[in-house]
Amino acid sequence: SQTIHQWPATLVQPVGSPLSLECTVEGTSNPNLYWYRQAAGRGLQLLFYSVGIGQISSEVPQNLSASRPQDRQFILSSKKLLLSDSGFYLCAWSPRLWYEQFFGPGTRLTVL
Amino acid sequence: GIQVEQSPPDLILQEGANSTLRCNFSDSVNNLQWFHQNPWGQLINLFYIPSGTKQNGRLSATTVATERYSLLYISSSQTTDSGVYFCAVMAGFNKFYFGSGTKLNVKP
Repeated sequence: SQTIHQWPATLVQPVGSPLSLECTVEGTSNPNLYWYRQAAGRGLQLLFYSVGIGQISSEVPQNLSASRPQDRQFILSSKKLLLSDSGFYLCAWSPRLWYEQFFGPGTRLTVL
Repeated sequence: GIQVEQSPPDLILQEGANSTLRCNFSDSVNNLQWFHQNPWGQLINLFYIPSGTKQNGRLSATTVATERYSLLYISSSQTTDSGVYFCAVMAGFNKFYFGSGTKLNVKP
């Protein structure tokens, strides 16, 4: 069966510091991968998606970037965090040609 | 982008009651999912339902794509059903949009 992991689970970072969040999927190959952000009490907003290694599409211009160095690894990064980057970050995957999404446990990021 | 509206925004039920949650979307979609977000933030898949009706235990869902809405039915609610229910649609290639959710509180 497929599983999706995210780490860290929680993170507190000062403004201006860098960020790296990691997501890995097991039990499948060639998945579509997604990064979402959820503000408190709100729905999810799609940030990035990837259909393959090195292929990243950005949905929202922002202070963040994403990379996919391996087939089942998706990384969310920032060079300098802003207060507005605080939130709950969720990674998801879907089969390549069947767009049912499955979510990881998420990372709670607080920028102080 | 597409607009996804969920209603009601908040719902309080007594244990054992039934409820219907609604999701309206503003344009044609390629697929639709319902999720339950538990108090720890985990999104749990309930239904993948681009059209038609599906049932899973006490839960069922119906999507009428031509009329741009989907309904989630919860019967005989339990306290463990509490949390936030999200509807998500895909319009275009990998373009996913979530509603703002329905926050459900089931009281014992």
